[in-house]
Order: sequence, then C-alpha cells, then structure tokens
Amino acid sequence: DAGVIQSPRHEVTEMGQEVTLRCKPISGHDYLFWYRQTMMRGLELLIYFNNNVPIDDSGMPEDRFSAKMPNASFSTLKIQPSEPRDSAVYFCASSLKALGTQYFGPGTRLLVL
Amino acid sequence: AQTVTQSQPEMSVQEAETVTLSCTYDTSESDYYLFWYKQPPSRQMILVIRQEAYKQQNATENRFSVNFQKAAKSFSLKISDSQLGDAAMYFCAYRIPSGTYKYIFGTGTRLKVLA
Repeated sequence: DAGVIQSPRHEVTEMGQEVTLRCKPISGHDYLFWYRQTMMRGLELLIYFNNNVPIDDSGMPEDRFSAKMPNASFSTLKIQPSEPRDSAVYFCASSLKALGTQYFGPGTRLLVL
Repeated sequence: AQTVTQSQPEMSVQEAETVTLSCTYDTSESDYYLFWYKQPPSRQMILVIRQEAYKQQNATENRFSVNFQKAAKSFSLKISDSQLGDAAMYFCAYRIPSGTYKYIFGTGTRLKVLA
C-alpha cells in the first residue's frame, strides 16, 4: 500500500491567495483527519471525516478554512484567503475504526508570504 | 478532560545506549489506546508503537518497548541500542476510545543521539 498521499509537499504563496491541499487516504480507511502543526501550537486537529462525512470541525480556525471529502479516496483542505499566520505543516491522516491507529501522510509545508 | 503530558522537552543519549522518554495522561476511561509517534527532520509522522489499555503485556517493536503503568497513567518509551537515525521528535498520543476516536497528543520530546 502506498500509504497516505498528500500534495503538494511544499507550497509557497502570497497573502490573499487561495491555497488547496490534497489528500488521498489509505484505501479502505473510513476515517480521515486534517492536522496543522506549528512551533507555537504543536499538533492541532482541524477537522475529521467518517465515511466522507465531516464529523467535527471545531478545530477549524476560522471561516477562511474549509474542507471537503467528495469520495472515499480524496479530500481537500482549502484556505481562502491565505494569511502569513497560516504558515505551517498540514498533515492528513487516515485510520480504520476497528484498528484505531492513524497513519499520517508526509505533510504539506505551507509558507504564506 | 483527557490530557497527555510529556515533561521532557529534550533528551540526549549516547549512541548504543538506552534512553527512556516519559509520558503521562489523564483519563477516566478504562479501555483506550496509546501511541508513540516519531517525527524526524523530514517531518513525517511515523508510528513507533501502540498499546491497548486492556493488555497487561507491554508492547515491543524491535529496539522500542513501552512501560505501561495503567494505575499510574504512565506510558514511557524505551529505546535500546540507540542509533543516529533515532534522533527525532517523539510524540505520545492517547486515542479517545469511543465516539470521536480523536487523538490527544503530547507536546513532544526532542531526542538527540550523540555519536
């Protein structure tokens, strides 16, 4: 299995631009999680999905952030408009409920100038 | 509220020696999962080891083992025969056992391995 796939691996953009991060979970996994990691705040859970349905988005910092999961093999996290304080590493992780272990993708390093 | 505490921001170990990273947690649940993840400079989050709370036997994975003390709510990670490639941030995590299945992560311990 290829594991969790994220794209792009690195993104540099200017303030005000739209950013879209992509994730392909491990096939068969029914939970998908989006995290943000910064030095100041550590690992934060932004939102997670179960069977493509958003379950808890209480970690999404503000309305500029949105996430979708149109099917079992694809999810996006969008920031519009982006701000310098959004600079972070964004991780996607997936898990199979029965096993409980979350497997992380390689992350997307976002820099907003 | 469930919390996970890693009280050692940084640790150092000599190559080939053994080091133990500490983790404590707070929960009122009786059945849950605990994990250790490794994050090397590449930033990839790599699962090191997991422990089911209902199992009394401590989990082991090659040079990695845990000391799980359920009553004390302690979950330490022991790395034996430390290698340069073990240098990384190590995160302890607790999985909420039902409902949300969310993880609660500790703040991490940076491990340095000295040649």
